[in-house]
Amino acid sequence: SQTIHQWPATLVQPVGSPLSLECTVEGTSNPNLYWYRQAAGRGLQLLFYSVGIGQISSEVPQNLSASRPQDRQFILSSKKLLLSDSGFYLCACEKGFSEQFFGPGTRLTVL
Amino acid sequence: GENVEQHPSTLSVQEGDSAVIKCTYSDSASNYFPWYKQELGKGPQLIIDIRSNVGEKKDQRIAVTLNKTAKHFSLHITETQPEDSAVYFCAARDSSYKLIFGSGTRLLVRP
Repeated sequence: SQTIHQWPATLVQPVGSPLSLECTVEGTSNPNLYWYRQAAGRGLQLLFYSVGIGQISSEVPQNLSASRPQDRQFILSSKKLLLSDSGFYLCACEKGFSEQFFGPGTRLTVL
Repeated sequence: GENVEQHPSTLSVQEGDSAVIKCTYSDSASNYFPWYKQELGKGPQLIIDIRSNVGEKKDQRIAVTLNKTAKHFSLHITETQPEDSAVYFCAARDSSYKLIFGSGTRLLVRP
């Protein structure tokens, strides 16, 4: 079964600084990869998904971007963070369109 | 697009009692319905799922039922234990193959 790693686990960044969150997957190939954001006490908002290398679909216009430079690597970025970018960022993986599994998450606080 | 509503938002039960969480969906083409358990500070964990060709599925103390005609599905937890305390999310896979999540139910099992 697959294992999803997210790095870093927690991050505190000032407003206006850049961001790079990394997600890597082990134990599977050609997965669909997803980035979600979860505000405190709230549900899951889909930000980006990718069905292959270099293929990114954006769900919500925002201050963030995503890239997939390798089959099992998914990166979430921002050039300038906003206060509203604070939240719990989750990477998820699925093989085909079957069960979707989540990583441990990155807690981002923008001050 | 798909819309998933989840009720109740909070649920408190005595240890040993049953807990039921209900979700409704809008897209009649949706055919896959997973349930996730999220503990504080962790990523959601897939606990059970059901496909539209099945009416009920059980796994030990957890069961999920699906009524396609009424477009609703439910999670049933029997003999609740304190470790069942968490936030539970339902989801439906829509016609574009994305998972649409409910807003979550915070379950508290009182010892």
